[in-house]
Amino acid sequence: KQEVTQIPAALSVPEGENLVLNCSFTDSAIYNLQWFRQDPGKGLTSLLLIQSSQREQTSGRLNASLDKSSGRSTLYIAASQPGDSATYLCAVIPPTYAEYGNKLVFGAGTILRVKS
Amino acid sequence: DADVTQTPRNRITKTGKRIMLECSQTKGHDRMYWYRQDPGLGLQLIYYSFDVKDINKGEISDGYSVSRQAQAKFSLSLESAIPNQTALYFCATSDGGRGQGYNEQFFGPGTRLTVL
Repeated sequence: KQEVTQIPAALSVPEGENLVLNCSFTDSAIYNLQWFRQDPGKGLTSLLLIQSSQREQTSGRLNASLDKSSGRSTLYIAASQPGDSATYLCAVIPPTYAEYGNKLVFGAGTILRVKS
Repeated sequence: DADVTQTPRNRITKTGKRIMLECSQTKGHDRMYWYRQDPGLGLQLIYYSFDVKDINKGEISDGYSVSRQAQAKFSLSLESAIPNQTALYFCATSDGGRGQGYNEQFFGPGTRLTVL
């Protein structure tokens, strides 16, 4: 059974710092991996989608990498800002298509606080 | 306007009441999903639908039912609400594309349901 773990559970950094959020998964045979941002009282915003054949994706100050063989993904945030404060969720699609369709398996998230 | 909308955004109800949560999308996607989020547990899949005539149970479907009224509408019902169904509920959509591929999932803003 696929399990996703995110470390750290919470992180507090000063504004301007570069930071890395970690995601690990137990079954390396995934279809894809998706990073989300969740703000209090709001839904999930998709940040980056990494196809299983890719090793990284970039969007603005965000860079996500994927190492399937080691079961790991990292989300790198450059020059952090107070507006980046949110919960960041990592989710993978297991390889078993027949089980629950395109079921995302989520980690519990990392709560990020960027102090001004 | 938001691509995926959910109504209501907040709901407080009593044990035993029937509740319906609604989801609409303007993305033209065939696939729709209902998830629930509990603190510290991540998101879990309740039901999913690949088209109007295709409804499937997710990993925690007991106590819930769904209706796919049209390609753009997917409703979740709690026939007789109980306190442990208090949670944040999310609707999501994706474009299935061809074959058994996976595409990025887009989430609505969520419905916060409290069952007293």
